[in-house]
Amino acid sequence: EDQVTQSPEALRLQEGESSSLNCSYTVSGLRGLFWYRQDPGKGPEFLFTLYSAGEEKEKERLKATLTKKESFLHITAPKPEDSATYLCAVQAFHRGSSNTGKLIFGQGTTLQVKP
Amino acid sequence: DSGVTQTPKHLITATGQRVTLRCSPRSGDLSVYWYQQSLDQGLQFLIQYYNGEERAKGNILERFSAQQFPDLHSELNLSSLELGDSALYFCASSVEGGSFTGELFFGEGSRLTVL
Repeated sequence: EDQVTQSPEALRLQEGESSSLNCSYTVSGLRGLFWYRQDPGKGPEFLFTLYSAGEEKEKERLKATLTKKESFLHITAPKPEDSATYLCAVQAFHRGSSNTGKLIFGQGTTLQVKP
Repeated sequence: DSGVTQTPKHLITATGQRVTLRCSPRSGDLSVYWYQQSLDQGLQFLIQYYNGEERAKGNILERFSAQQFPDLHSELNLSSLELGDSALYFCASSVEGGSFTGELFFGEGSRLTVL
């Protein structure tokens, strides 16, 4: 069964204290891995797409990396406005299936950055 | 603002009732997705429509149905409601058809409470 597990569930950082969020996945075949950010009371907001092991993407203080079994979201020198829940999702490849938008999401990591 | 509009934002109803959630995708987006978010299950894919046709189906209950209309807006119908159906229901849209890039644009959700 395709599965996504994120850790930790919650993370508290001081402003400027860098850290990483983990997303481990089990899928029969990976089409893509995605990171989203969700603020309270809002819908998720797309951050990154990663397709193959070794790929990296960056945006401001965020950097996403991918291996064959997990992805990391590195947060460098975070600011209070980076506080949010970060969701990891995978799109699994199944023989005979078309490329659809059926994503499997993890439970998320809730990040709080204190000034 | 993602450009995806969902109504209503909040809905309180009783067990056994039927409700309809509505979604207007971003201008130009042909695909519409419905996701359910609950505290214990996280974000779960329900169904995807592309240009009026069903494209992919998740673990959507038989009591739930959806459709996408010629103007591309979509409705999710939930019937014979149970307490466990209480959740946030998100609609998302994307422009692609055959080549999904992972970038979904989510609305702000419809919060359903079943009493």
